Amino acid sequence: DAGITQSPRHKVTETGTPVTLRCHQTENHRYMYWYRQDPGHGLRLIHYSYGVKDTDKGEVSDGYSVSRSKTEDFLLTLESATSSQTSVYFCAITGTGDQGYTFGSGTRLTVV
Amino acid sequence: AQSVTQLDSQVPVFEEAPVELRCNYSSSVSVYLFWYVQYPNQGLQLLLKYLSGSTLVKGINGFEAEFNKSQTSFHLRKPSVHISDTAEYFCAVNGYTGGFKTIFGAGTRLFVKA
Repeated sequence: DAGITQSPRHKVTETGTPVTLRCHQTENHRYMYWYRQDPGHGLRLIHYSYGVKDTDKGEVSDGYSVSRSKTEDFLLTLESATSSQTSVYFCAITGTGDQGYTFGSGTRLTVV
Repeated sequence: AQSVTQLDSQVPVFEEAPVELRCNYSSSVSVYLFWYVQYPNQGLQLLLKYLSGSTLVKGINGFEAEFNKSQTSFHLRKPSVHISDTAEYFCAVNGYTGGFKTIFGAGTRLFVKA
């Protein structure tokens, strides 16, 4: 979707290395989210943000950190990547709870 | 706390046949309900949503869903499917808990056969 972009689209990294994924939006939405998608689990919330420098943990936050220094950017960092973090990561945005989400195209991360 | 259960992991169906994808939810607060569709190698896109009012909601691509409060269900239906409807479908619930967090079901893979 033109209003939200994720980078990189694909990444292969080694176990133990730090990795940062970026989500950029042009919609000026307040809420931003990071989910991971794994077969049989649907989408699971990692972290979310409800404003600049306001972030909170989701259900699978261990091993991940986030930062939001500007409205348009939400960064997800894997401090020390593990094979269990191999997944597809999606960023989502919304202005209010009744709008539904707009999703990015995803980042496929492989940890070897 | 909220949860979503999609009762079928895979649904095979022949082209032009009707289909129903089942979703049940639980929540201690009022919720908004959503269905999303994911085509291969793409992100999710919103199919339809229930906020309040009429329990039958219509979405894109001819899909509709019915909210049943007593059964806490939000099943998705289409009277006649096409090959192009082959995708994964996610039911989701969003209740205001101080952050508008949406909880997703595990997904139902719809496979339409010619």
